[in-house]
Amino acid sequence: QVQLVESGGGFVQPGGSLRLSCAASGFMFGGYYMTWIRQAPGKGLECVSFIGGSGTPEYYADSVKGRFTISRDNAKNSLFLQMNSLRAEDTAVYYCARHSVIVGGHYFDYWGQGTLVTVSS
Amino acid sequence: DIVMTQSPDSLAVSLGDRATINCKSSRSVLYSSNNKNYLAWYQQKPGQPPQLLIYWASTRESGVPDRFSGSGSGTDFTLTISSLQAEDVAVYYCQQYFGTPFTFGPGTKVDVK
Repeated sequence: QVQLVESGGGFVQPGGSLRLSCAASGFMFGGYYMTWIRQAPGKGLECVSFIGGSGTPEYYADSVKGRFTISRDNAKNSLFLQMNSLRAEDTAVYYCARHSVIVGGHYFDYWGQGTLVTVSS
Repeated sequence: DIVMTQSPDSLAVSLGDRATINCKSSRSVLYSSNNKNYLAWYQQKPGQPPQLLIYWASTRESGVPDRFSGSGSGTDFTLTISSLQAEDVAVYYCQQYFGTPFTFGPGTKVDVK
């Protein structure tokens, strides 16, 4: 069955860096767009970044552009999010999610359990 | 950006009664070339990730109970729970995937009265 398992979250000071990972299994990873979605404590959902199955295209929300970098290793069925210059407002649970396989169907049919990133001094 | 709004913010419904959640987009999410509405609904229970319920505005995801239904077109959409069960207590989000950034509504909390 499809599984997405995030890791790499933690506590970091403002200006610091973290690298999130998402281990995928149970499906042909390279055939799917993948995305990172975050949810600040008690708040709603924000699409942070997504990447195409072959590594392109890449998309970044304005709030993270120039600070975050998404990447993937299809040989290792893994998705990554390198987060630099972290700010307090980046504090959130970060979910890894799979886009539908349908062309243009950018809804999210599987989600991981999430990893918490806390940015604080 | 397409802004998604939802109403009400929260509602309490008796077990077995109908719950109706509205979602409005700031621009139409209907793609004229295929007549599809690029709109999805998710359910999020406390401490869990969101779960896909509905896509293309009205197509139920596999395994989702048929008491959940989606309707609407263009800019106005509705998620209906025909007979609320205790396990349906959750926050419900709509999401547009017509254009980037893909955006979510702020959520509607559903409780049992």
